[in-house]
Order: sequence, then C-alpha cells, then structure tokens
Amino acid sequence: DAGVTQSPTHLIKTRGQHVTLRCSPISGHKSVSWYQQVLGQGPQFIFQYYEKEERGRGNFPDRFSARQFPNYSSELNVNALLLGDSALYLCASCPEEDYGYTFGSGTRLTVV
Amino acid sequence: AQSVTQLDSHVSVSEGTPVLLRCNYSSSYSPSLFWYVQHPNKGLQLLLKYTSAATLVKGINGFEAEFKKSETSFHLTKPSAHMSDAAEYFCVVSDGYGGATNKLIFGTGTLLAVQP
Repeated sequence: DAGVTQSPTHLIKTRGQHVTLRCSPISGHKSVSWYQQVLGQGPQFIFQYYEKEERGRGNFPDRFSARQFPNYSSELNVNALLLGDSALYLCASCPEEDYGYTFGSGTRLTVV
Repeated sequence: AQSVTQLDSHVSVSEGTPVLLRCNYSSSYSPSLFWYVQHPNKGLQLLLKYTSAATLVKGINGFEAEFKKSETSFHLTKPSAHMSDAAEYFCVVSDGYGGATNKLIFGTGTLLAVQP
C-alpha cells in the first residue's frame, strides 16, 4: 500500500509569492492534517480536515489556508510568502478508529 | 491544555548500551501518547502509541515505553542501541482522546547519537 504522498518534495520561492503544497492520504483515511517543522524544532499543527471539513486550525496567520477534496486529498496554500515560512511541511493521515497518524516525507520549502 | 516536555535535547550512547529518552506530559484527562522518530531529511515514523490499554507499550525496532500516571512520564527505552537508531525522537500527546479528529502536540525533540 502507498503511504502518505506529498508533492513537490522541494520548492524554492521568492518572498511575496504564493505556494500550493499537495498531499494524498493513505487509501481509506478520511483525516488529513498539516504541520510545519522549522529547522531544529518539533512540528507545529497548522490545519486538520476530516470528511472535507476543517476541524482544527493552529496559531498561523490567515495567509495559510487549506482544503480537502472529495477523494480526501488535500492542499495547503500559503500567500505572500515570508522568509520565516521556510520549513518542512508535513502532511499526516489517520484512519477513523486508530490513534496513530502516518506522516508523509514532507515538502521542503525555501523562501529566498 | 495538553503538553509534553522532553527532558534532554541531546543523548549520546555507545552501540550496544541501553537507551533512555525521557518525556513528561501534562494532561487534564487520560492522554493518548506517542513516540515518533525522524531520521535526517526524512519524515516522521511512528514508533509506538499508548491509548489507555497496557501501560507498557512495545513498539518497532525493539523500543518500548512505560506510561506512569503517578510520575506523569512516558519514557522511551531500548535495551541495546544500534547505529541505525541515531535520529531525532519526538514525544507527542494528542489534544483529545485520540483518533482522527485530534491534533498532535509535539515535544521539542531529543537528538540521539550512537557512538561506535
């Protein structure tokens, strides 16, 4: 079975630009979450979607948005990029009855 | 609010010796706790999870953790370290009762170095 897949793996953007990151959960998983991991720190929660509805939002500015599609894949959008948005962005999915999230390998975003 | 504190930012052991990575938690109810491992430039891999069943939890690659409510601890151990165990380890608590609609709260991580 395929795990959680994220694209692209690496991305370089300029300040002020917009970026879209994509995530495909494990087949059958209806819950998708996004996390930001800045170098040297633990991941921080950004968004959670379940059955295409937003179920949680972390302490991030409105420049960050996300959505989940009918096939349960998800996009994370970041507008007006800042240097501080440079990080590893991780997507995770979880089956309905289990307690363990499976993470993708992440998208490394560099803002220059 | 839920939180975890990893007591050591760096731990260094020799190959073949025991590993102990310490984690304390804070929770207003019975928590769901996890340990994740992250190898350099990789995503996160679930090592083990505690969800109010047996207090001694066995995970992958010989790791185990013991939930101690009286000490609010969830320390990760392994009897004998292997070179491939060198990585960053995160103690994690769920903000709810676990499951698909709760977020994960990560500790600051412990970097494990294994010396030959």
